[in-house]
Amino acid sequence: SQQGEEDPQALSIQEGENATMNCSYKTSINNLQWYRQNSGRGLVHLILIRSNEREKHSGRLRVTLDTSKKSSSLLITASRAADTASYFCATAPNTGFQKLVFGTGTRLLVSP
Amino acid sequence: GAGVSQSPRYKVAKRGQDVALRCDPISGHVSLFWYQQALGQGPEFLTYFQNEAQLDKSGLPSDRFFAERPEGSVSTLKIQRTQQEDSAVYLCASSRRQDLNTEAFFGQGTRLTVV
Repeated sequence: SQQGEEDPQALSIQEGENATMNCSYKTSINNLQWYRQNSGRGLVHLILIRSNEREKHSGRLRVTLDTSKKSSSLLITASRAADTASYFCATAPNTGFQKLVFGTGTRLLVSP
Repeated sequence: GAGVSQSPRYKVAKRGQDVALRCDPISGHVSLFWYQQALGQGPEFLTYFQNEAQLDKSGLPSDRFFAERPEGSVSTLKIQRTQQEDSAVYLCASSRRQDLNTEAFFGQGTRLTVV
């Protein structure tokens, strides 16, 4: 079963606008990662945030993590048509065997 | 190659047929994962290898699914007596470390269609 849920399930915006996606998860984590998946292709790692971090930036990406609420958000600023993809959060547990547990994903459409 | 390579990219199998899906991870990567992704869903964990040892197979849906990584590099996911519900994209990922404090690199996946 999947660890978390992402919200919204789908998001449609214009180029230049910001896109915000949220992820909620259920259990204690070591870190949380965001991945992008273009249609029919594999997943590409975007950013990793550790459980003791609250915010992280990478280029046009900004990720926040609130472990007390078991939630994270991914902000893409000044979006481009090339950002059109599905975005998944994935959690790495802090106990037990190592496996990334993925959320249900947000489908982002950026129109020119 | 520089990335994770999976073959075949597409596989159509008749119900009841056995299939084998191959994954070539990035050279030197210790960890290897298999995931199953249904249409419109997120990837679901199947199994995890650390070198040649299969440390977690809790996600394999049934005993028709079997995975191996005999020399700690290439891995094969085998599905016996395929059924329609096995239709999905099967993703392989590798990571250079034993833990998950680093990114995982995914292959393009194998799209399996059982007819």
